[in-house]
Amino acid sequence: QVQLQQWGAGLLKPSETLSLTCAVYGGSFSGYYWSWIRQPPGKGLEWIGEINHSGSTNYNPSLKSRVTISVDTSKNQFSLKLSSVTAADTAVYYCARGPRGYCSGGSCYSSRSSLGAYWGQGTLVTVSS
Amino acid sequence: QSVLTQPPSVSAAPGQKVTISCSGSSSNIGNNFVSWYQQLPGTAPKLLIYDNNKRPSGIPDRFSGSKSGTSATLGITGLQTGDEADYYCGTWDSSLSAGVFGGGTKLTVL
Repeated sequence: QVQLQQWGAGLLKPSETLSLTCAVYGGSFSGYYWSWIRQPPGKGLEWIGEINHSGSTNYNPSLKSRVTISVDTSKNQFSLKLSSVTAADTAVYYCARGPRGYCSGGSCYSSRSSLGAYWGQGTLVTVSS
Repeated sequence: QSVLTQPPSVSAAPGQKVTISCSGSSSNIGNNFVSWYQQLPGTAPKLLIYDNNKRPSGIPDRFSGSKSGTSATLGITGLQTGDEADYYCGTWDSSLSAGVFGGGTKLTVL
């Protein structure tokens, strides 16, 4: 049974950096992409980005300049940093297990079967002065 | 404005069938797998359908998915009050090299 447990600061001031971490328990850590997805209050889901165990990342173009996703394979954890936050970044942030994927010969491949098979419990991050 | 287009809301009576559409383009739905998610109030989304039409273990066969061209459809039969939720479609966009979601559809079981 795969479980994702996430944590991080829930209240930030404008211009600060959002930082969240997600730990994965059960199942395989390598061989998958690990994602961050957010949901502003009362609105829909927005894909933020993903990383695989090799450290290969993909980011939402609209957030790319401010987002960094990193991985710690020794702890089966991955993290999100979002810099220069504003009130528009107020949302529930979810970590999720993405599709299967691997990298070989400098290229990465993925089944792209889903955006999130297993999800963390969500963390409400509020940006307010 | 979401990359994928879903109707904001649908409704049907208990026991009936409902379908939810998801429209995209050749860079996303047209050339990638579609997945569907159910989000009950106050909870994290739950995967219902992956690879266009496959159900994860534990998802009842009342839920089905299909894809044709640049559109996908989620079907739910034998509606129950417990099915009242928001439903999202999602896929990979090859042009953006990013995941994309629909805006979500609120299902009301009258």
